[in-house]
Amino acid sequence: ETGVTQTPRHLVMGMTNKKSLKCEQHLGHNAMYWYKQSAKKPLELMFVYNFKEQTENNSVPSRFSPECPNSSHLFLHLHTLQPEDSALYLCASSQDVSRLSTDTQYFGPGTRLTVL
Amino acid sequence: DAKTTQPNSMESNEEEPVHLPCNHSTISGTDYIHWYRQLPSQGPEYVIHGLTSNVNNRMASLAIAEDRKSSTLILHRATLRDAAVYYCILRDFGTSYGKLTFGQGTILTVHP
Repeated sequence: ETGVTQTPRHLVMGMTNKKSLKCEQHLGHNAMYWYKQSAKKPLELMFVYNFKEQTENNSVPSRFSPECPNSSHLFLHLHTLQPEDSALYLCASSQDVSRLSTDTQYFGPGTRLTVL
Repeated sequence: DAKTTQPNSMESNEEEPVHLPCNHSTISGTDYIHWYRQLPSQGPEYVIHGLTSNVNNRMASLAIAEDRKSSTLILHRATLRDAAVYYCILRDFGTSYGKLTFGQGTILTVHP
């Protein structure tokens, strides 16, 4: 138990569906992250939020839309996805991105997404 | 970001020490060396980090070469629970925030 929870753990959706992934952290952190882990590829950073403000968008397609209503919650809204978007989506949190290289990230267990 | 090179896989026996190497010949003076690991069906978890000196914590030890161009993560007594993918990552505190850039990592197999 890392203090970061993600729901749902598994999701199957069609290409025309709209769904959302939820992440919640109970660590009092101010920074939250979305990562994508595809089969046989390294984890890729998608988005970074610090104090509810988006500070990084790593050239992610607009069919992925993040939302951070407060420092404890992070959502990833999905619409018109492609089969190649099937992957494990991981959420992480850390104290504050400005604490730089000593800042430890805590990861949730991920949501396994399958796009049909 | 400076790049790291790790072996694709390593094997160990239970209760034996494991030395996981990482090469980072282009490391800069502002790069911290971080290690994370990812157990099966879980997200990555922090293991240890260091800058210049060797570091110890309850999970592992980190030995950093004097020229900082390589480092070694040491698991003193491997257990079956240590079977995971181990990632060596450089984080630059000279930039506005130190992103985690994951490579392929080393798959560690621990035999009973």
